[in-house]
Amino acid sequence: EVQLVESGGALVQPGGSLRLSCAASGFTFSNYWMHWVRQAPGMGLVWVARIQSDGGATSYAGSVVGRFTISRDNAKNTLFLEMNSLSAEDTAIYYCARESSGWNLRRGYYYYMDVWGKGTTVSVSS
Amino acid sequence: SYVLTQPPSVSVAPGQTARISCGGDNIGSKSVHWYQQKPGQAPLLVFFDDYVRPSGIPERFSGSNSGNTATMTISRVEVGDEADYYCQVWESTSDHPGVIFGGGTKLTVL
Repeated sequence: EVQLVESGGALVQPGGSLRLSCAASGFTFSNYWMHWVRQAPGMGLVWVARIQSDGGATSYAGSVVGRFTISRDNAKNTLFLEMNSLSAEDTAIYYCARESSGWNLRRGYYYYMDVWGKGTTVSVSS
Repeated sequence: SYVLTQPPSVSVAPGQTARISCGGDNIGSKSVHWYQQKPGQAPLLVFFDDYVRPSGIPERFSGSNSGNTATMTISRVEVGDEADYYCQVWESTSDHPGVIFGGGTKLTVL
């Protein structure tokens, strides 16, 4: 069974740091780009970060640039999100997701998330 | 940056047809993907590339995309379809290329 399981969420004080993990199973993890997506309480989905299958390229939402770092260990089938300088605005459920892609003749490549974990909760509060 | 606009809520009676829109500047030039999220659950992919359904998604779900609006249509709506629905595109032209989600639409089955 294809599965993603997040862990590492916790209550942390403003200005603190946290490292999230996402364990993948049931597929060849090293073949896939991966994402982190977050959802604040009662709000919508917000993309956070993306990493290439071999870890060589990363990209981030503007709101987390310089504070968050996405990484992966393909030998351990695990995705990470290192979060620093946390504020209340970072309070959310954090989901990891697998990326799949395709080719549209008119539009070129497209990217979407076909497998999601159940999420891990990060709360930033004093 | 690119913005996707969805109505906050749509209400429909069981057995009727629900239509959820996703507006964006020339969105018809992009591939749009849709996710369903039920309370307390992770998002689930419903469509990719405008209208392609992954295995397990009922044929009652269909999608279209043209001009400035992409639309998800659910025919013969069931109580179990009640959920939040999000559209998504890949934005490659901004300073921070990446994934863009719409604000989400809460589908209520009356």
